[in-house]
Amino acid sequence: QKEVEQNSGPLSVPEGAIASLNCTYSDRGSQSFFWYRQYSGKSPELIMFIYSNGDKEDGRFTAQLNKASQYVSLLIRDSQPSDSATYLCAVLMNRDDKIIFGKGTRLHILP
Amino acid sequence: EPEVTQTPSHQVTQMGQEVILRCVPISNHLYFYWYRQILGQKVEFLVSFYNNEISEKSEIFDDQFSVERPDGSNFTLKIRSTKLEDSAMYFCASSTGLPGNTIYFGEGSWLTVV
Repeated sequence: QKEVEQNSGPLSVPEGAIASLNCTYSDRGSQSFFWYRQYSGKSPELIMFIYSNGDKEDGRFTAQLNKASQYVSLLIRDSQPSDSATYLCAVLMNRDDKIIFGKGTRLHILP
Repeated sequence: EPEVTQTPSHQVTQMGQEVILRCVPISNHLYFYWYRQILGQKVEFLVSFYNNEISEKSEIFDDQFSVERPDGSNFTLKIRSTKLEDSAMYFCASSTGLPGNTIYFGEGSWLTVV
């Protein structure tokens, strides 16, 4: 069974601090990795994708990938109350043309 | 910015009725998807569609479900005989299929089966 695992949270982080969200995946051959943000009742919104080992930065967001450990993370710097949402980790499985989502981590930024 | 559009945004239907959810993917995208999300649960893959045929489907996508691309722009999901447990948000998505295969989602269609 191909799985994407996330801690469901809630993760509470003070405003201005760094929020760290983690994800592990089971399929070692997975190719691409995505972080989506989902507000309640809304559709997933793509934040970042990464497919090479290492870090990828975009504004306040940094995605980190370690294929050997089958681990991907998202760091949010200078957290804002508007960052409060559920963050979905998604993985493009090997030889598939679909992405599989984790259950998501609820992030709550404390004003 | 191009976007995936879905209609209706919300539909209430009686159990046993047929429902068609409509989607217009981003125009230069080649892969199309339907996902669903039951309230409070994870986003689940239903089906992917490429080159006018289903390329992959999940165990959720049983015989009561079908997809169609009736013209060059629309992509539809039909549920033949709805059940209470079909109540969910249904998301259409599309991608180019290029490396990275970033998938963009529509706003979703809330389906309530009563």
